[in-house]
Parts: sequence; C-alpha cells; structure tokens
Amino acid sequence: EAGVAQSPRYKIIEKRQSVAFWCNPISGHATLYWYQQILGQGPKLLIQFQNNGVVDDSQLPKDRFSAERLKGVDSTLKIQPAKLEDSAVYLCASSSLFGEQYFGPGTRLTVT
Amino acid sequence: GQQVMQIPQYQHVQEGEDFTTYCNSSTTLSNIQWYKQRPGGHPVFLIQLVKSGEVKKQKRLTFQFGEAKKNSSLHITATQTTDVGTYFCAGISGGSNYKLTFGKGTLLTVNP
Repeated sequence: EAGVAQSPRYKIIEKRQSVAFWCNPISGHATLYWYQQILGQGPKLLIQFQNNGVVDDSQLPKDRFSAERLKGVDSTLKIQPAKLEDSAVYLCASSSLFGEQYFGPGTRLTVT
Repeated sequence: GQQVMQIPQYQHVQEGEDFTTYCNSSTTLSNIQWYKQRPGGHPVFLIQLVKSGEVKKQKRLTFQFGEAKKNSSLHITATQTTDVGTYFCAGISGGSNYKLTFGKGTLLTVNP
C-alpha cells in the first residue's frame, strides 16, 4: 500500500513570497489533515478535510494560509505572503473514518 | 481549547534502563493515540486507547489510559538504541470530529 505522498520535500523562500505544498493521501482515506510542526513541538492541526469539505480550520491563519481538496483526493496548502515564523515542517496526514493517522514525509519550509 | 501536556520534555537513559512518559489532558478524552517520531522523520502511529483504565502492550511497550480518561502513560522496558525518538500522545475529545491535539512530546535518547 502506497503511503501519503508530499512534495516538495524542502523549500526555501524569502519572506513575503508565496509557496504551495501538495499532498496525495492514501487511496480510500476520506479524511485529510494538514499540520504545522515547529522544531521541538508537537504537530499543530491547521485544517482537516472530510472528503472535499472542511471539518476544522480553527487554527488556520486565514489571512495568509489557504487550503483546498478538490475532488476529495489530493490537497494543496498555500501560504501567501510568507513570514519568518512560518518556518516549520508541514505535515500531511490521512485516515479512514475512525482510526490512526498516516503521515507523509513532510515539507521543510525555511523562510529567510 | 483542549490542551495536552507531556512530561518529561527530555529523557536520557542508558541502554537497558526503563523509560516512562506521561500525558495529561485538560479535558476528558474519547480516546488517545501515541505516535513515535524518529529524528528527521514523521510521526508513526503506535497505538490507540479507548476504554477507561485500558492497558495495552506491544512487546516492551506498555500503554495505559487513566480511569478518568484524562491521562495516559507509555512505559518502555529495557530500552534499546532503536527506541530513540520523540514520543507524542495525541488526544481526541468527544464530538471533535476526530481532531487530534498533540502534546509537545518527550524526546528519548539512549546511550549504548
């Protein structure tokens, strides 16, 4: 079974630039999550999709972050404009309706 | 909002010693999950606990869920160098659409 795919794996941008991350979940998983993990901390949920609908985006900084999950499969997360404090690893995860979450390898973002 | 606290933040042991990490939630949980993240890696699911007072074992790992469903622990017997990593607990509150709130994790290092 293929795992959760993410790209790119690394990205370096300057502040005020924009960036986009892509995620392809495990086939058949209805729920998709985007997390932000700052060094030394646990993952923080940014947004949760159930199929192509948003279930929770209460911690998503909506003035600069956006995410979509067209057709209920892959998803993109965008940051525009980026700030220095956005430097982190962005993790995508997917799960079946009730159960464990499978994480992708993450995208390490550095904002300079 | 829900908060999940973990202690200790760091633990260094000699190979063969035991290790325990503790997790406490500010609210009653419907279930709790444990994940392991190796250095440079992504979180990997270990186990899910659902019932009050539940105890589950995986080889040298023992997981407990408190009677009040607000705390949990992970105990590793006779640590090995392969146990190195950060152990996260993540709680789900009832009616939260399976939103996981992660603790900050406990980083375990093992001296061979």
